[in-house]
Amino acid sequence: ELKVEQNPLFLSMQEGKNYTIYCNYSTTSDRLYWYRQDPGKSLESLFVLLSNGAVKQEGRLMASLDTKARLSTLHITAAVHDLSATYFCAVALNTGGFKTIFGAGTRLFVKA
Amino acid sequence: DTAVSQTPKYLVTQMGNDKSIKCEQNLGHDTMYWYKQDSKKFLKIMFSYNNKELIINETVPNRFSPKSPDKAHLNLHINSLELGDSAVYFCASSYSGGAYEQYFGPGTRLTVT
Repeated sequence: ELKVEQNPLFLSMQEGKNYTIYCNYSTTSDRLYWYRQDPGKSLESLFVLLSNGAVKQEGRLMASLDTKARLSTLHITAAVHDLSATYFCAVALNTGGFKTIFGAGTRLFVKA
Repeated sequence: DTAVSQTPKYLVTQMGNDKSIKCEQNLGHDTMYWYKQDSKKFLKIMFSYNNKELIINETVPNRFSPKSPDKAHLNLHINSLELGDSAVYFCASSYSGGAYEQYFGPGTRLTVT
């Protein structure tokens, strides 16, 4: 059974600092996604990573995928308060249809 | 134009009742999903349909019955509601093949009293 683990689960950081969120998964997959959820809101897609070594960047966020280590990272550069949200990684497994398993989420709070 | 819409947004009902949640997407996607997000924000897939065909059916009580009348709609009917069914239910859609992100609806907050 595919397990997806994120750490840390809670992160409080100062504006301007850098930090990395880690996502480990237990079964081989080359389909990994990052989503953002604001409190009381829906989920919004941030990145889709589909191959070993994939790196994508959008603003202050950069995501990478190492399929051999079964690890993805979401790096935050010079955090700002607007990045405060819950970040989920998710991994898709082909079971006759692609089943997406989500990590528990990392609740990020950026202090001004 | 809303991409993935759900109705109702809030649903408060008593134990034992039957209720439905509707979902529609206008993105032209061929795959739709139902997820349950519990009070700890943990998100779990319940069902997935591809072109109206059920392709993923997780270990969900058979009180939950999805129905897809066409590939733009996926509804969720819940019989004999229980306290533990209280959660936020998200509908999502995507293209098939696993290479695409999912677009989520606004969610339906179900409270069973």
